[in-house]
Amino acid sequence: AQTVTQSQPEMSVQEAETVTLSCTYDTSESDYYLFWYKQPPSRQMILVIRQEAYKQQNATENRFSVNFQKAAKSFSLKISDSQLGDAAMYFCAYRRIAGGGADGLTFGKGTHLIIQP
Amino acid sequence: NAGVTQTPKFQVLKTGQSMTLQCAQDMNHEYMSWYRQDPGMGLRLIHYSVGAGITDQGEVPNGYNVSRSTTEDFPLRLLSAAPSQTSVYFCASRRRAAASGANVLTFGAGSRLTVL
Repeated sequence: AQTVTQSQPEMSVQEAETVTLSCTYDTSESDYYLFWYKQPPSRQMILVIRQEAYKQQNATENRFSVNFQKAAKSFSLKISDSQLGDAAMYFCAYRRIAGGGADGLTFGKGTHLIIQP
Repeated sequence: NAGVTQTPKFQVLKTGQSMTLQCAQDMNHEYMSWYRQDPGMGLRLIHYSVGAGITDQGEVPNGYNVSRSTTEDFPLRLLSAAPSQTSVYFCASRRRAAASGANVLTFGAGSRLTVL
């Protein structure tokens, strides 16, 4: 079974600074997807960024980028120029490709990100 | 607006009562799923469905039943609620995997259930 580990229960960063959230995963699959989701106090799950494992290039979305190290099974999220609106829980998630990935996402336990003004 | 609609948003039950959490999507998504979120545990998959008439168990299925009679609806039933089922429940849906890449889950807004 796949597992996803987020080793930082809470992180704090000054507004406008850069912060990196860590995620490691364990799988025997060679093809899969990785995701970062944001959950603000509203409870809504919001996709931040996704990465296909067969792509070597790291995904970027505006101020959000990932450092994907397939051999190390590491998938960290970097947030540049942190803003107050970035404060939320961040979840790393894995989905296999085999079987269409119908058996859903495996989530980490989350990292609570605090933005200091 | 198109999306995933969950009802109710909040519910309080007594131990032993039954209830159904409703989930509906209007995006013609084949895949639908239910997750529960507990403090410090992240989201865990309860049940999922790959199409009408087809359901399967996820990581934590005990105490829950599902059915999928239409593409749009995927209700989650608690037959005899227990305090351990106090949680926030999320329904999610997506298209079947496509060759062009990952199809991303669309989540509902969540339902907070308290069992006394």
